[in-house]
Amino acid sequence: NAGVMQNPRHLVRRRGQEARLRCSPMKGHSHVYWYRQLPEEGLKFMVYLQKENIIDESGMPKERFSAEFPKEGPSILRIQQVVRGDSAAYFCASSPPNGGARNTEAFFGQGTRLTVV
Amino acid sequence: QQQVKQSPQSLIVQKGGIPIINCAYENTAFDYFPWYQQFPGKGPALLIAIRPDVSEKKEGRFTISFNKSAKQFSLHIMDSQPGDSATYFCAASFPGAGSYQLTFGKGTKLSVIP
Repeated sequence: NAGVMQNPRHLVRRRGQEARLRCSPMKGHSHVYWYRQLPEEGLKFMVYLQKENIIDESGMPKERFSAEFPKEGPSILRIQQVVRGDSAAYFCASSPPNGGARNTEAFFGQGTRLTVV
Repeated sequence: QQQVKQSPQSLIVQKGGIPIINCAYENTAFDYFPWYQQFPGKGPALLIAIRPDVSEKKEGRFTISFNKSAKQFSLHIMDSQPGDSATYFCAASFPGAGSYQLTFGKGTKLSVIP
């Protein structure tokens, strides 16, 4: 059972370009979470999605950032018109449907390191 | 406002020592407190977790101590090894079905020297 797969592992974009980060959850997992990690910082929650639904995007900047988790295919985090401050590691985590149980464990991918030049 | 404060920022111990990492939280609605281990270039991996109804939890060489009244919890690593050298993050989350939205501390970089 493959883990959470993120690609690309490293992404370099010039200011003003678009960045698309992909996350394939573990098999059987229908919940996806995106986190951003700045250098020397902990991870900060951005958005929580289930298939075809955004459940909570309270941690995501209102402009330039969007996320989706379509019925088929990976979850996508899109950053439009990137700026230097977007340079960070972006981690995706997935968890199974919890059937009402609280705090089902989530598993993290290895991250995408975005560098804006 | 940082909801989970972690200290120290970095820690160096000798092999066999017992590093202790501390975290304090502000929001009493948190009810799940995991610790994550992260190696360079990798994603965080769940190490051990505790809920507020328990004051201590042990898994192998890792122990969480939890003080609900003080709103503090800590990670102890017994008989530390060089392979334990990593960054450790404490975290907390609110109750909620289907949710795994974690609030992380800033991390502690642990170095275990032979």
